[in-house]
Amino acid sequence: KAGVTQTPRYLIKTRGQQVTLSCSPISGHRSVSWYQQTPGQGLQFLFEYFSETQRNKGNFPGRFSGRQFSNSRSEMNVSTLELGDSALYLCASSAPGQGNIQYFGAGTRLSVL
Amino acid sequence: DQQVKQNSPSLSVQEGRISILNCDYTNSMFDYFLWYKKYPAEGPTFLISISSIKDKNEDGRFTVFLNKSAKHLSLHIVPSQPGDSAVYFCAASSPGTYKYIFGTGTRLKVLA
Repeated sequence: KAGVTQTPRYLIKTRGQQVTLSCSPISGHRSVSWYQQTPGQGLQFLFEYFSETQRNKGNFPGRFSGRQFSNSRSEMNVSTLELGDSALYLCASSAPGQGNIQYFGAGTRLSVL
Repeated sequence: DQQVKQNSPSLSVQEGRISILNCDYTNSMFDYFLWYKKYPAEGPTFLISISSIKDKNEDGRFTVFLNKSAKHLSLHIVPSQPGDSAVYFCAASSPGTYKYIFGTGTRLKVLA
């Protein structure tokens, strides 16, 4: 069974631009969560989607948004990029009946210049 | 407000010895705790979990201990192996929130 796939793996943008990151969960997983990882800050929760509905959201500005499609694939969008948005963005999927275990993709490394 | 804290940024242990990684939390509503391991350029991989109704869970070389009164959990790795060198994150969730709060991680280095 394929794991969680995130594309692209690396991205370089400039301030003010917007970016869209993609996540394909493990087949059969309907919950997708997004995290931002920066040095010294651990993984900061962005949002979680289940069956195309956002069930929870972290403490990030409205420039960060996401969505989930009917096939459970998810995208997150960051508009008006700032230098501080440079980070590793991780996506995780999970399925009911497997405890609360989240399976992570390798992440997208975003650099904002 | 960091609800999950890993106060040791790094830890070095000799191969074959025990590694003990610690995690403290402040939210008494947390009822499920997980440990993840992360290698460079990879996403975190699940190691072991524990529910708040238990105080210990064991899986091979990995054991997690939960002390609810102290709001503290620890991960024991015995014996430690060089391949265990990675960053370890603890995470916690509370019922019905559909989110995990992660600590800042502890970098474990197992010396051969």
